Amino acid sequence: AQKITQTQPGMFVQEKEAVTLDCTYDTSDPSYGLFWYKQPSSGEMIFLIYQGSYDQQNATEGRYSLNFQKARKSANLVISASQLGDSAMYFCAMGRNNNDMRFGAGTRLTVKP
Amino acid sequence: DGGITQSPKYLFRKEGQNVTLSCEQNLNHDAMYWYRQDPGQGLRLIYYSQIVNDFQKGDIAEGYSVSREKKESFPLTVTSAQKNPTAFYLCASRDRGNFEQYFGPGTRLTVT
Repeated sequence: AQKITQTQPGMFVQEKEAVTLDCTYDTSDPSYGLFWYKQPSSGEMIFLIYQGSYDQQNATEGRYSLNFQKARKSANLVISASQLGDSAMYFCAMGRNNNDMRFGAGTRLTVKP
Repeated sequence: DGGITQSPKYLFRKEGQNVTLSCEQNLNHDAMYWYRQDPGQGLRLIYYSQIVNDFQKGDIAEGYSVSREKKESFPLTVTSAQKNPTAFYLCASRDRGNFEQYFGPGTRLTVT
C-alpha cells in the first residue's frame, strides 16, 4: 500500500531564511505524481508544486522547489526567502493512475519575524 | 471563473440527523473526491467518483453515502451511523490524464 510520511509535525524558520519540509513516500507503481499543498488557517488547500515520477529535473515554482530523490523515495519541499504569509500547514501528497491520492499528516510551519 | 464550490461553509446539526454537503464544479472534470480532515491531521479519503453514476469507497466510507447523477455535482450525505461526524470536509476534482486535484473551500460540520 502506498504511504506518505512527513516526520516534522512543526517547523520554525526566521523570516527571509530558507526552510526544507521533509516528505518520504512508498509505492511500487512506476508512474505517480508528487504534490505539495499549503493549507492556511482558512482551511482551503492551495496547490504549490508538482513533480512527476518520470521528470528528470526538480520542479520549481517561484520560491518553491521540490528536491526529488527517486532512489530514496523522498520529495522535500524547499521554501526560499520565507515570508510571514508562509505560516501554514503544508501537506505532501502522492497521486497515481488509479485516481487515488494519499496525503501525509502535514507539517505546521511558523515563520518568525 | 472555473472552480469548485462547497456550501455551506459552516454547518451545525443535532446528533441523529442526516446532513448533506454540497459540492459543485464547473471545470468539466471527470473525477470527484470527498475527504475528511480532523484537527491537526491530514486528509482521509471518504468516497470518490471517476464518472457519472459510478463511485467507490475510500478508506473511511462507513457512515457516509454519495451520489453522482451529474458530472458537475457530487453531494456527500453524513448519516446518523457516522459515529464522529464533526470534522472539516473537503471536496476535490481531477481532470482525466492529470494527477493534480483541485479543492473546494471546505465545509466545517459540527454535530452536537
